[in-house]
Amino acid sequence: DAGVTQSPTHLIKTRGQQVTLRCSPKSGHDTVSWYQQALGQGPQFIFQYYEEEERQRGNFPDRFSGHQFPNYSSELNVNALLLGDSALYLCASSVPRGDYGYTFGSGTRLTVV
Amino acid sequence: GEDVEQSLFLSVREGDSSVINCTYTDSSSTYLYWYKQEPGAGLQLLTYIFSNMDMKQDQRLTVLLNKKDKHLSLRIADTQTGDSAIYFCAESMEGNNRLAFGKGNQVVVIP
Repeated sequence: DAGVTQSPTHLIKTRGQQVTLRCSPKSGHDTVSWYQQALGQGPQFIFQYYEEEERQRGNFPDRFSGHQFPNYSSELNVNALLLGDSALYLCASSVPRGDYGYTFGSGTRLTVV
Repeated sequence: GEDVEQSLFLSVREGDSSVINCTYTDSSSTYLYWYKQEPGAGLQLLTYIFSNMDMKQDQRLTVLLNKKDKHLSLRIADTQTGDSAIYFCAESMEGNNRLAFGKGNQVVVIP
């Protein structure tokens, strides 16, 4: 049973560019959340998708957007990249009332130069 | 709002017990979690406790919750070298599926 898979594992982008990160949830999970983890910090909630809609959003600018597809997979898009966007981006999947059922992927390491 | 605080570093000898502490500020937290992150990896859920419980034991792991002081701790018995990692506590609230994480505790196990 595959867990949460994320792609790519590593990515280097130039300031001002746009990036798309991808996530496939664990089998049986239909809710996807994205987190940003800066070096030496805990993960910070970006947003959550359920039924192809953004249900909750953290304190992130509109440059961060997402999408969820009918098969529950999800994309995170970041426009106009800043050096400060360099981080590990983690995807977590759960069932809608997943108070204890979050499963995290291994993340995508984004470096903005 | 959500605010989770953790101390930063713990060194422990193999076979000893480790205790990691966490303080949270939101009394409406429903679930509290401990996650483990090994180098270059994502987060692995170790255990969780519902906010109406005081203690939960799961093999080598014991979670203690002091709701009055908003203090959560994780005790790892018989610490092994494979327990070397960063440990995050996190909280979530009723009707709000997002997790608020602390900054993490790095645990280094000395053989």
